[in-house]
Amino acid sequence: SAVISQKPSRDICQRGTSLTIQCQVDSQVTMMFWYRQQPGQSLTLIATANQGSEATYESGFVIDKFPISRPNLTFSTLTVSNMSPEDSSIYLCSVVYQGRANTEAFFGQGTRLTVV
Amino acid sequence: DAKTTQPPSMDCAEGRAANLPCNHSTISGNEYVYWYRQIHSQGPQYIIHGLKNNETNEMASLIITEDRKSSTLILPHATLRDTAVYYCIGVPHRGSTLGRLYFGRGTQLTVWP
Repeated sequence: SAVISQKPSRDICQRGTSLTIQCQVDSQVTMMFWYRQQPGQSLTLIATANQGSEATYESGFVIDKFPISRPNLTFSTLTVSNMSPEDSSIYLCSVVYQGRANTEAFFGQGTRLTVV
Repeated sequence: DAKTTQPPSMDCAEGRAANLPCNHSTISGNEYVYWYRQIHSQGPQYIIHGLKNNETNEMASLIITEDRKSSTLILPHATLRDTAVYYCIGVPHRGSTLGRLYFGRGTQLTVWP
């Protein structure tokens, strides 16, 4: 299992500003991901946070809007840039461990972002 | 893209079995069927997974049809704490998309007293 800490747990931000969300894992992990959950919706994968290289973004998400850092195997940040009210969502960090017969994902509690 | 379809909502009486169906007729042969659930205001939680055999753990049972086109998650004795959104997802254990989860809309299960 994994313990994932996200900071902040929630924030209210002014439009046009940026917010950086931190994700700390209690053990080294190769695979780390960022998801977005808009109000009343399911989770959508934003990107894969790659250690030592640029993140891999899913269709519809770009680095300029969601820059990601992954300086080591236990930590990552997601920045939501130039925010607008449409960015109001829960942002979740996830790590995946691959065992012999499973690839289990663990999620942080999320960062609830409200843009006003 | 999500390759699974689930009913948007289901109800279940407390203490009864909850049977949640999932259609995954287009998942590939190397994709396992995983189930996660998300209790309100929390991150998703792993429940169970399988490839083609039925599986059981302390939380649930998973019944996969022989043709792998559908499956059913069974919570044998539902409690109020099982009220959550349940997601059925096809997950490969290798390949370029390893680790990435593509969630569908899931099923909102409501357990009532």
